[in-house]
Amino acid sequence: DGGITQSPKYLFRKEGQNVTLSCEQNLNHDAMYWYRQDPGQGLRLIYYSQIVNDFQKGDIAEGYSVSREKKESFPLTVTSAQKNPTAFYLCASSSSDRVTEAFFGQGTRLTVV
Amino acid sequence: GESVGLHLPTLSVQEGDNSIINCAYSNSASDYFIWYKQESGKGPQFIIDIRSNMDKRQGQRVTVLLNKTVKHLSLQIAATQPGDSAVYFCAERTSYDKVIFGPGTSLSVIP
Repeated sequence: DGGITQSPKYLFRKEGQNVTLSCEQNLNHDAMYWYRQDPGQGLRLIYYSQIVNDFQKGDIAEGYSVSREKKESFPLTVTSAQKNPTAFYLCASSSSDRVTEAFFGQGTRLTVV
Repeated sequence: GESVGLHLPTLSVQEGDNSIINCAYSNSASDYFIWYKQESGKGPQFIIDIRSNMDKRQGQRVTVLLNKTVKHLSLQIAATQPGDSAVYFCAERTSYDKVIFGPGTSLSVIP
């Protein structure tokens, strides 16, 4: 059953702690993306990666970090430098010849208290 | 700067009627425009896309229209069903590997 998996679905952390969100895909897609969604708003691009061991900053990369050591995995770390980390985080992937058709995970809702 | 926006934040439609969701964009250089559907608590799902050199594209019960003169994009859903209730996002591909999303329109179908 091919797809993109994010875990966990809900995550709680104390302010000042770093937290890593998992994203795994078995679609053999080259491209992977992380978006942030705040209530009643659209998706904002945090980081994206077109190939293993390479990634680029999106529009709101400050306070976040990523790695792409394997094609299937694109974990996102929300660092303590991120001023407003509470949000819904979405991971997506797409094939390099169909960038417009991204497949999204179910999302991780992060709450920082 | 680059932006994609929507004319109507909420839309209520009677079941069986047609729905029209509108979107304005500002980047004339975007080569693709895309519609996604997001159900509550889930990730967005791709619906349909249209290349910038086209003005109409049809899918299953959906039609996307592109008017480059006024930088306007619309999604038409025929015979709207309760399962169509969701938030709909328009998006544009501003460069080969970058897609920008608009703020979304909430569609509510009245049985």
